[in-house]
Amino acid sequence: SQQGEEDPQALSIQEGENATMNCSYKTSINNLQWYRQNSGRGLVHLILIRSNEREKHSGRLRVTLDTSKKSSSLLITASRAADTASYFCAEKAGGTSYGKLTFGQGTILTVHP
Amino acid sequence: EAQVTQNPRYLITVTGKKLTVTCSQNMNHEYMSWYRQDPGLGLRQIYYSMNVEVTDKGDVPEGYKVSRKEKRNFPLILESPSPNQTSLYFCASSFIWGAPATDTQYFGPGTRLTVL
Repeated sequence: SQQGEEDPQALSIQEGENATMNCSYKTSINNLQWYRQNSGRGLVHLILIRSNEREKHSGRLRVTLDTSKKSSSLLITASRAADTASYFCAEKAGGTSYGKLTFGQGTILTVHP
Repeated sequence: EAQVTQNPRYLITVTGKKLTVTCSQNMNHEYMSWYRQDPGLGLRQIYYSMNVEVTDKGDVPEGYKVSRKEKRNFPLILESPSPNQTSLYFCASSFIWGAPATDTQYFGPGTRLTVL
């Protein structure tokens, strides 16, 4: 299966600004997950949104899901320098392919102090 | 401490020399998975396992083998490594049954493999 796409590939903002990252996916999903990765380290789960949900919040994170457009977005509000990292969306397939997790190529976020 | 451990963390080897990267989790997770991460390609799933003795191919399984004889361990085997398998490898695990909030994957620290 093909990987989804993330947009933009890189984002550079100032501390305090909001950061929005978009993800498009290709399959029928069970859920969509967002992860963060600091410079070559393991990924850390941020938030999961199920196919029957449209929006979800967790602290400064807001995720939306539009299954008709096969797209999701991650909004980080009031960004901090510590938010600098790569962010990945991952689509969890449904049906008989449950178990397959397909990651996008990621967005590199740089937050300048 | 709940964690996923991988060994070794760094490995340099030569073409054709069989190697195993171990992965172990202490969270009683049913689901375990291996990924490789390459610049410009993101993470790609190699194999996954839904439970003991149940494994299935991901998107890039060629050249790899796995086994799941115990719930906590999910080793990745490269029987005849080649230079195109030089990559950063991650193991991950999660619950898949039970509360709706499961499916969160916990990742190991990564294994950087170089095949000469």
